[in-house]
Amino acid sequence: NAGVTQTPKFRVLKTGQSMTLLCAQDMNHEYMYWYRQDPGMGLRLIHYSVGEGTTAKGEVPDGYNVSRLKKQNFLLGLESAAPSQTSVYFCASSRGAVGSYNEQFFGPGTRLTVL
Amino acid sequence: GQQVMQIPQYQHVQEGEDFTTYCNSSTTLSNIQWYKQRPGGHPVFLIQLVKSGEVKKQKRLTFQFGEAKKNSSLHITATQTTDVGTYFCAGPGRGSTLGRLYFGRGTQLTVWP
Repeated sequence: NAGVTQTPKFRVLKTGQSMTLLCAQDMNHEYMYWYRQDPGMGLRLIHYSVGEGTTAKGEVPDGYNVSRLKKQNFLLGLESAAPSQTSVYFCASSRGAVGSYNEQFFGPGTRLTVL
Repeated sequence: GQQVMQIPQYQHVQEGEDFTTYCNSSTTLSNIQWYKQRPGGHPVFLIQLVKSGEVKKQKRLTFQFGEAKKNSSLHITATQTTDVGTYFCAGPGRGSTLGRLYFGRGTQLTVWP
């Protein structure tokens, strides 16, 4: 099993450009998450999904959109990138929400720079 | 809203010294989890504590969950250079935020030989 994979690993954008980050998991997990990590700020939740076809806002959703058309994939879109979106983006998944099921498995991350 | 606070933000120790990071939640938690992120890596699950007052050990790491289930700690005995990284605690949401984990900001541990 590959676990959680993220594409791409690195990306440089110019202000105003758009892009989509892809997250895929092969563990048949119901829940998927997108976080951003900035120095000293820990992990901040952008959006998450509790199942195929569902999405919900997290702590810092502005400027991002997501889609979960297939259970194994969770896409994060930036419609018009801004320098403030320069960050490391992590995708994660979990089996469920209760008890031991809410352990999260993280992907390797995408390092995004917006010039 | 629900918050998880973690201190200290940074800790520098000499190899062989002990290290402790503390986690406090604004709400009672059903469980608490700990993750470790090595420099340049991604967070990796270490352990979950569920019971009030629970103590679990993993070799030199000791995890505690408070009696009121609102605080937790991670203690590392005799640190080694392999312990370097950032340690996060996380507690689950409730009700409308069930499914989320609320992460502390982490404690970045540096160990010098």
